[in-house]
Amino acid sequence: EAEVAQSPRYKITEKSQAVAFWCDPISGHATLYWYRQILGQGPELLVQFQDESVVDDSQLPKDRFSAERLKGVDSTLKIQPAELGDSAMYLCASSWGGTANTEAFFGQGTRLTVV
Amino acid sequence: GENVEQHPSTLSVQEGDSAVIKCTYSDSASNYFPWYKQELGKGPQLIIDIRSNVGEKKDQRIAVTLNKTAKHFSLHITETQPEDSAVYFCAASMGGFKTIFGAGTRLFVKA
Repeated sequence: EAEVAQSPRYKITEKSQAVAFWCDPISGHATLYWYRQILGQGPELLVQFQDESVVDDSQLPKDRFSAERLKGVDSTLKIQPAELGDSAMYLCASSWGGTANTEAFFGQGTRLTVV
Repeated sequence: GENVEQHPSTLSVQEGDSAVIKCTYSDSASNYFPWYKQELGKGPQLIIDIRSNVGEKKDQRIAVTLNKTAKHFSLHITETQPEDSAVYFCAASMGGFKTIFGAGTRLFVKA
């Protein structure tokens, strides 16, 4: 069964350092999402791509976070510099895209701890 | 913007009983309502979804109902089993855009 792949699964970093997460969506999925999930809360959308274009990054803290999906396939989310409050699970999801194909499938996530 | 409220935050049921989780949304433009199950240390897994042109959808022991007028939608799990224990999230979106999740319901099914 096709899955969304994320790496690393766990990351510990010191505050003020840079950190990056990688996501490979299900093959053929045009839409890719990055979510942040703080422990005990629901996922919060950070950025949404349609192919290689950003269609929504209204909740992305652009002073320290960046995301790219250069070839419209895999994607990288970067934080620089990391802050203690960035400790969370970072989830990637993908869907076929379009208003009729909205079912999103999540990866296992990357658990980030900033110390 | 959209706001999704989910209740209860914790639900404990006896094995074999039914469980109901309720969500309300604020934006009448929302037209897609998925439900996710999240087990410890894993990503959310889509279990059922409903679109605004449908009032009810069922898949084996799981059903979802939608009341567009009241902006309510609910998840119903019948004949609960211990493996149903997890955190359940509702969400609302506009055709896959501006997806907002509820805060989650932790379901415990006691054997």
